Amino acid sequence: GAGVSQSPRYKVAKRGQDVALRCDPISGHVSLFWYQQALGQGPEFLTYFQNEAQLDKSGLPSDRFFAERPEGSVSTLKIQRTQQEDSAVYLCASSLVVGTQYFGPGTRLLVL
Amino acid sequence: GENVEQHPSTLSVQEGDSAVIKCTYSDSASNYFPWYKQELGKGPQLIIDIRSNVGEKKDQRIAVTLNKTAKHFSLHITETQPEDSAVYFCAASIGSGGYQKVTFGTGTKLQVIP
Repeated sequence: GAGVSQSPRYKVAKRGQDVALRCDPISGHVSLFWYQQALGQGPEFLTYFQNEAQLDKSGLPSDRFFAERPEGSVSTLKIQRTQQEDSAVYLCASSLVVGTQYFGPGTRLLVL
Repeated sequence: GENVEQHPSTLSVQEGDSAVIKCTYSDSASNYFPWYKQELGKGPQLIIDIRSNVGEKKDQRIAVTLNKTAKHFSLHITETQPEDSAVYFCAASIGSGGYQKVTFGTGTKLQVIP
């Protein structure tokens, strides 16, 4: 079946704008993760969902970051009042309850 | 929390030679160690993984070793090919609350020279 998809692939925002990034996980995958990948770095954990429940949001860098997965499938990562330091690739991954995480292609966010 | 260190940051090898990437982790509770390959503009893709109850695992040209005592693990790629050129990430994972929380290394950019 299809892998993890993310949209948009690229997003340019002016500082102060709100953005919403979408993730469509692999069908049937209970677990969904969001990561932030700065240029030249490894992905860093942001948050974790098991079905619709957000069980771990310890990696969200500030209260401007908000994620949801209301029906236990598609997830949206929202960043309010974007800042230049938010520029990064945002990766979504999904897995069965426990197991290999399959990553999407990422959304590259550039805040000007 | 877990801290994963990875080296080298860049690695150039001639086609056909072997490449070795080494990682260390800090949390002895980590029990799962995946390796990911990331090509330009793409998300990381799992290439091999190893669990803490295994010391070595091999899949064709790729092998991973784990030394739990020393908290070291390594990726070995033999007979390298140009298509192996990419950024490789090691990771360490702790099972927590029913899921695996993964901490990534900083990556190794591998260049295979034809």
